[in-house]
Amino acid sequence: EIVLTQSPDFQSVTPKEKVTITCRASQSIGSTLHWYQQKPDQSPKLLIKFASQSFSGVTSRFSGSGSGTDFTLTINSLEAEDAATYYCHQSNSLPLTFGGGTKLEIK
Amino acid sequence: QVQLQESGPGLVKPSQTLSLTCTVSGGSISSGDYYWSWIRQLPGKGLEWIGYIYYSGSTYYNPSLKSRVTISLDTSKNQFSLKLSSVTAADTAVYYCARYGSTTNFDYWGQGTLVTVSP
Repeated sequence: EIVLTQSPDFQSVTPKEKVTITCRASQSIGSTLHWYQQKPDQSPKLLIKFASQSFSGVTSRFSGSGSGTDFTLTINSLEAEDAATYYCHQSNSLPLTFGGGTKLEIK
Repeated sequence: QVQLQESGPGLVKPSQTLSLTCTVSGGSISSGDYYWSWIRQLPGKGLEWIGYIYYSGSTYYNPSLKSRVTISLDTSKNQFSLKLSSVTAADTAVYYCARYGSTTNFDYWGQGTLVTVSP
């Protein structure tokens, strides 16, 4: 099973800041890494697929990069509506797995 | 617009079987492009993939739950279902159904349903 380790677990940031969240895989997964946003009491929403491809309708403030074992989600010009927990997810091999999540608080 | 909606009991007794159904609208589960999935989220925790089913009926389960899980399709109703047997309090979670595509990943999710395991 591929283990995904996210950092940080929690981050408190101010609006208009730039935020970077990282996800490290326990083995190389190419670019089969995806990012989701989950707001309280909502289901997760796909933001970035295959490391760097924006999903339809997602604002360009969200971007992803990386390959192999190290990946990054970047949120530019943070807005209050970005308060959420962010999860990475790998589809390289079964079982499909998710990272532990990064909770983003907007000050 | 594809929509998924979970339904089923919100309370299950220990040792019994948890049964949930996901109704899909706006798209056919008989489409060969997608796998129909169940994912759960333990209270205050992250996401755990339970398994998925292809339109052909082929199933793939998380080894951690495989001995207790069954996912099935009802194409006549455009629904798919989850059964989890011998539940304990550790199975208390929000259960989501979702559509999974090899190029689109988990692109559509249900709203989730909380299932509590308690006497």
